[in-house]
Amino acid sequence: NAGVTQTPKFQVLKTGQSMTLQCAQDMNHEYMSWYRQDPGMGLRLIHYSVGAGITDQGEVPNGYNVSRSTTEDFPLRLLSAAPSQTSVYFCASTPSGGPYEQYFGPGTRLTVT
Amino acid sequence: QKEVEQDPGPLSVPEGAIVSLNCTYSNSAFQYFMWYRQYSRKGPELLMYTYSSGNKEDGRFTAQVDKSSKYISLFIRDSQPSDSATYLCAIQGGGFKTIFGAGTRLFVKA
Repeated sequence: NAGVTQTPKFQVLKTGQSMTLQCAQDMNHEYMSWYRQDPGMGLRLIHYSVGAGITDQGEVPNGYNVSRSTTEDFPLRLLSAAPSQTSVYFCASTPSGGPYEQYFGPGTRLTVT
Repeated sequence: QKEVEQDPGPLSVPEGAIVSLNCTYSNSAFQYFMWYRQYSRKGPELLMYTYSSGNKEDGRFTAQVDKSSKYISLFIRDSQPSDSATYLCAIQGGGFKTIFGAGTRLFVKA
């Protein structure tokens, strides 16, 4: 099993550009999430999904969109990149049932200039 | 007030020392208390978790929860340079949404 994979590993965008961060998991987990990690802020939840076709907002959803058409894939779209979105983005998948251990991908380092 | 508070450190200790990492939380409804370890430029991995109050031991690691004080701790015995990482506490209230602390950077010097 590859676990959770994310692409790209690194990305530099100019302000106003859009892009999609890809996330895939091969563990057949129901739940998937996107987090951003900033120094001193910890991991903050952007969007999450409890199953194919079902998504919801987390703590910091503004400027991001998600969709979940399959169990395996959960892409994150940046609509119009801003310097405030410079961060490390982690995708995670979680099996249903407590304690809801999160399996994280390797992350995408995004810089917006 | 943040729901979970964690001192970011850094914490630097000599090899073999006992390490104590701590978090406080504000909502008494939280049920699962977790510790994730994150090596540099990697994703976090679950180290261990406890349900409700009490202690849980796994090798050199002990997780402790004091619900009366809303205080959680992770102890590392006989610390090794390979333990150098960022440790994030995390809490869940019964659903899958998880609230993470900011993480404490630990350096264990050989």
